[in-house]
Amino acid sequence: AQSVAQPEDQVNVAEGNPLTVKCTYSVSGNPYLFWYVQYPNRGLQFLLKYITGDNLVKGSYGFEAEFNKSQTSFHLKKPSALVSDSALYFCAVRPLLAGKSTFGDGTTLTVKP
Amino acid sequence: DGGITQSPKYLFRKEGQNVTLSCEQNLNHDAMYWYRQDPGQGLRLIYYSQIVNDFQKGDIAEGYSVSREKKESFPLTVTSAQKNPTAFYLCASRNGNSLSDGYTFGSGTRLTVV
Repeated sequence: AQSVAQPEDQVNVAEGNPLTVKCTYSVSGNPYLFWYVQYPNRGLQFLLKYITGDNLVKGSYGFEAEFNKSQTSFHLKKPSALVSDSALYFCAVRPLLAGKSTFGDGTTLTVKP
Repeated sequence: DGGITQSPKYLFRKEGQNVTLSCEQNLNHDAMYWYRQDPGQGLRLIYYSQIVNDFQKGDIAEGYSVSREKKESFPLTVTSAQKNPTAFYLCASRNGNSLSDGYTFGSGTRLTVV
């Protein structure tokens, strides 16, 4: 069975500083990996995905994520955080031939001015 | 614009009552999903459907039922057997022809037991 761990419930950064939101996963075989963002009382929005190839994936709003197969990690990063980046972030994993994704418990990102 | 519409946005259920949450998509997606979100617990899969007239139980299907009679629609019924239904419910869809695609989510329905 697949699983996702987001080890930090909360990440706090100052505006303009780099941010990292961590994600590790467990799955049989090669996975698809995703990051989503959720604003209060809204559905999740897709940010980026890793399929294969380059380990650094670029997505929406200046976010990127680094895939590390040996560490089974897929950390979300942004070089310079904005206050508007404050939200709840979810990592998800889906095995290549599976129809459903498994989500982590989410990490609340707070960017302070 | 294509997307997923969930209704109602807020729903109140009395004890012992069944309620149905609506999910409609015009994205021509084959796969549809229902997740439940509770604070600090992330998203948990209730049911999913990869094709019309077929659906599978997720991790927490007890007390819930679904139907998939049309490609566009995947309603979720919360039955009286679900003892703790207060939560935020999210519907999602995915292009069944592309396994690498992410989900498109609706805006959610917040269900409260009164």
